[in-house]
Amino acid sequence: GENVEQHPSTLSVQEGDSAVIKCTYSDSASNYFPWYKQELGKRPQLIIDIRSNVGEKKDQRIAVTLNKTAKHFSLHITETQPEDSAVYFCAARFTGGGNKLTFGTGTQLKVEL
Amino acid sequence: EPEVTQTPSHQVTQMGQEVILRCVPISNHLYFYWYRQILGQKVEFLVSFYNNEISEKSEIFDDQFSVERPDGSNFTLKIRSTKLEDSAMYFCASSEGQPGELFFGEGSRLTVL
Repeated sequence: GENVEQHPSTLSVQEGDSAVIKCTYSDSASNYFPWYKQELGKRPQLIIDIRSNVGEKKDQRIAVTLNKTAKHFSLHITETQPEDSAVYFCAARFTGGGNKLTFGTGTQLKVEL
Repeated sequence: EPEVTQTPSHQVTQMGQEVILRCVPISNHLYFYWYRQILGQKVEFLVSFYNNEISEKSEIFDDQFSVERPDGSNFTLKIRSTKLEDSAMYFCASSEGQPGELFFGEGSRLTVL
């Protein structure tokens, strides 16, 4: 079945450093890859997404890269700040009925002062 | 900014009882979803709904679960006979199109005793 793997499960960085989170997906026909940030007890919120016809997308300190051949995509956060601390989930939309999102297992990012 | 709203925010129930979780998706959205998140784990797809019918469901969404859009605004998830393992945060989501950004509600925390 559809599967999204995410690494690392926890990531601790110093304020100002960069953070990279990586995901791989199983279905080569997947066409949409969002990243969600979830703060404790809150809903997942979309921070950036990329479609399969694009290799890279950037929004201020956040960027996502997609390698369709290798079936992996990555989130890059530069100049990290304490408020970036949260759980980050990657997801992939598998084509077919329903267009559901399948989520990765999450990365707990901690930005230390 | 329009948002998905969910009620109740927290429900405690006894094992074997029926529970109905309610959602009001964003008004011009056509696709509706239920996801669940067991504490500390990833977001799991339950069901997607389009054009007044289920378009896809996961293995989790067994005969104990049902969804309904009883009127033009509400989207409900019913669990007929709750089990302890149904304890989780249930998120409703909606999207305008496919693929498209998924907007999540704040969630309904279900505790089964």
